[in-house]
Parts: sequence; structure tokens; C-alpha cells
Amino acid sequence: QVQLQESGPGLVKPSQTLSLTCTVSGGSISSGGYYWSWIRQHPGKGLEWIGYIYYSGSTYYNPSLKSRVTISVDTSKNQFSLKLSSVTAADTAVYYCSTVTNYAVFDIWGQGTMVTVSS
Amino acid sequence: QAVLTQPSSLSASPGASASLTCTLRSGINVGTYRIYWYQQKPGSPPQYLLRYKSDSDKQQGSGVPSRFSGSKDASANAGILLISGLQSEDEADYYCMIWHSSVGVFGGGTKLTVL
Repeated sequence: QVQLQESGPGLVKPSQTLSLTCTVSGGSISSGGYYWSWIRQHPGKGLEWIGYIYYSGSTYYNPSLKSRVTISVDTSKNQFSLKLSSVTAADTAVYYCSTVTNYAVFDIWGQGTMVTVSS
Repeated sequence: QAVLTQPSSLSASPGASASLTCTLRSGINVGTYRIYWYQQKPGSPPQYLLRYKSDSDKQQGSGVPSRFSGSKDASANAGILLISGLQSEDEADYYCMIWHSSVGVFGGGTKLTVL
């Protein structure tokens, strides 16, 4: 059973780049069975889809964040990553990584990691 | 106007049924979309419940009880999550979601209280 674990700094300064990694265990990111996605949840609020990547490197981003987002994959480490540039307090959120099945279901989720943007 | 609108809260009694609605913005036809439903309990990530487009195009999440079901109200342009035989463990936030122009869009969520 695939499991996901997010990691990265819990505190980022305004204007800097938020960087998070999702480590995949229990399966290979290169298997082709999933897309790999990032989703965030502002404190006490709803969910916002950020984007997804396939193991080949093809990506698709939420247009609302596209200018600041980069999602990449490292098949040798069985990881995929999120970079969000020029962060502000509005980017403070819990960030989740998730699998996306061929039926476009967010199937397996990491536990989430809280990122606070503050000086 | 948001793409997906959900009531912020709903209360229902144990053993009763709860109907959670997800209204699509005017101009976005519910009939053409698969509606996905997720449940989130405090301190945990969301969990996939089911997706529903029609009676011939639907999927129950793995291990999700059959008392969770999906439907649509075309006249209201809404997707519906019906939970029958409510249990205390069903108390949670529920989010609907669609893929709109290849963008994943979530509703604001409904907090279901079972009391």
C-alpha cells in the first residue's frame, strides 16, 4: 500500500520560496499508476488544489498559482516536490501531497505539513 | 461567485439521514460533471468517499459504507451526498469537488454535526 509523507520547513519568510518534498513508500513513483498532486488547506478553511505531476515529468497547475508553482519528480529518490515562490502570509496553510488515480480521485493522502509564512 | 457552493453547516440526529448539497455555479451544468465527495475529520487529511455522475457512472471509495451515496438534483444544478443511518462517527467536514476545465475545484465544505 502506497504511503506518502510530506517534509520541509514549517516556517518560511515572506517573499522567499516554500519548498516541500513528498516521499513515496510502498510503491514506485515510476509505476505509472498515479499522478502525484499537491493540495493545501488554509487554517480553518477549505481545500485548494495546487497541481499534479506524472512520473514522466508532465505537470498541470492551478491557474491561480501557476506563475509561482513548480512541481518536480525525482524517481531515483521516489519523491516529488513543490516549490512556491514569492510567498506571503496568504500562503500559510497545511500542505498535503496526494495520489491521483486514473479516475481523477485524490486517493491516498499524506498527513499534511503546516507551513507558516512569517518574518 | 464560487464554482461550488456548500452550506457551511448541517445538523442531524443519530439514525436519521443527512443530505449535503453542492451547488454548481450558474452556467456550469451539473449533468456534465463527476462530483467527488471527501470526508475530513479534525486533525486528519481528507478521505475519498465516492464519486457520482449518473447511476451508470459512479464509484464508491474502498471501504466506504453503502449508507453513503451520491445523486444529483438537476433542477437545482446540484450534487448531493446522502448519508443514511447517521452515526456519531459521521460528524466531520464534507467537501465536494469537480474537475472544471482540467482544474481541481473544491467546495467550501459542510460541517456535519450529529447530535
